[in-house]
Amino acid sequence: AQSVSQHNHHVILSEAASLELGCNYSYGGTVNLFWYVQYPGQHLQLLLKYFSGDPLVKGIKGFEAEFIKSKFSFNLRKPSVQWSDTAEYFCAVNARRGSTLGRLYFGRGTQLTVWP
Amino acid sequence: GAGVSQSPSNKVTEKGKDVELRCDPISGHTALYWYRQSLGQGLEFLIYFQGNSAPDKSGLPSDRFSAERTGGSVSTLTIQRTQQEDSAVYLCASSRASGVVDTQYFGPGTRLTVL
Repeated sequence: AQSVSQHNHHVILSEAASLELGCNYSYGGTVNLFWYVQYPGQHLQLLLKYFSGDPLVKGIKGFEAEFIKSKFSFNLRKPSVQWSDTAEYFCAVNARRGSTLGRLYFGRGTQLTVWP
Repeated sequence: GAGVSQSPSNKVTEKGKDVELRCDPISGHTALYWYRQSLGQGLEFLIYFQGNSAPDKSGLPSDRFSAERTGGSVSTLTIQRTQQEDSAVYLCASSRASGVVDTQYFGPGTRLTVL
């Protein structure tokens, strides 16, 4: 079975600080990778995704993530965070083929708090 | 266009009662998923419907849980004889998934509280 690990449960930053959230997955086959964000009181929204091609993907609101296949990692980055980035961030993966095709496996989430 | 909608947004029930949760996927999306978000377990897959294929029920935690998808659109998740450990936010997602794994879009969820 696949699993996803997010290294930080809670990250606290000041505005303008740089952000990197770690995500590692375990699965031997080809995967799709996602970062979802849940703002306070809102539902899960897609931040960015990687299916194939350039391993550096850019998402909404200045976020980007890099897929490093050799490290089974998909870390999320933002050079300068804003107060409005306060939210919970979830890394997720699904298999592109096989018996678990389609279902998303999520990390436990990282709560980001940005102080103004 | 309209996103995934779920109803009710909140449900409080007594232990032992049955509950039904509804999901309306994005129009034209053939794949529909149910997940559960709870404090202790994070986000867990429950069940997956893809077109007319048999659903993947492997994530359902017990036989008290069942789900249907009528007419390839609306889905209902039913929990029979609810227990306190069923308290969670139940999320529905849909995707195009026309034979290719695609992005899942999530609804707002139903917060279930079992007293």
